[in-house]
Amino acid sequence: GQNIDQPTEMTATEGAIVQINCTYQTSGFNGLFWYQQHAGEAPTFLSYNVLDGLEEKGRFSSFLSRSKGYSYLLLKELQMKDSASYLCAPMDSNYQLIWGAGTKLIIKP
Amino acid sequence: NAGVTQTPKFRVLKTGQSMTLLCAQDMNHEYMYWYRQDPGMGLRLIHYSVGEGTTAKGEVPDGYNVSRLKKQNFLLGLESAAPSQTSVYFCASSSREGLVSQPQHFGDGTRLSIL
Repeated sequence: GQNIDQPTEMTATEGAIVQINCTYQTSGFNGLFWYQQHAGEAPTFLSYNVLDGLEEKGRFSSFLSRSKGYSYLLLKELQMKDSASYLCAPMDSNYQLIWGAGTKLIIKP
Repeated sequence: NAGVTQTPKFRVLKTGQSMTLLCAQDMNHEYMYWYRQDPGMGLRLIHYSVGEGTTAKGEVPDGYNVSRLKKQNFLLGLESAAPSQTSVYFCASSSREGLVSQPQHFGDGTRLSIL
């Protein structure tokens, strides 16, 4: 079957760094997306990895290891506005996104 | 920049009533999707469309129907609403550009309660 495993909730301090891990099993693989979703709002696209390695976008970076079925999202210089859920979504062989339940990130001052 | 627009934003229905949720996108995207999101669960795909006039079933299609008569619109219908269909419904769209997967862009969601 297809499944995604992410921590349910994480807490971090403003200004710090946090890493959100995601392990996945899919039928085929066509890349992995990370989305941010603030409470009561729609998901918004953060990053996409299709090859192994690190993709950096400002304060956010995403890493992929296809052989391990593993990805992480790294958030630096945390701000209060980063309090949100982060959704890991690999794309299977049919180009369908498989969505995890997400990791709720709580930022404390 | 409207992007993806969903109407209505909120709706309360009684069991057995029917309704249609409308999704419109102005980005000329080929692909459109309907998801539902329930507390503690990931987004679940209801139906999707890879182009005008075509639709396909997703993970949880039972109790829903869809139509894509125009490229920019994707309608989701509930023929006989049930309390289990109480959820937040998101529409999304994405483009097709060669072999590179493109991100999905989401509407603001429709919060639907079935009493």
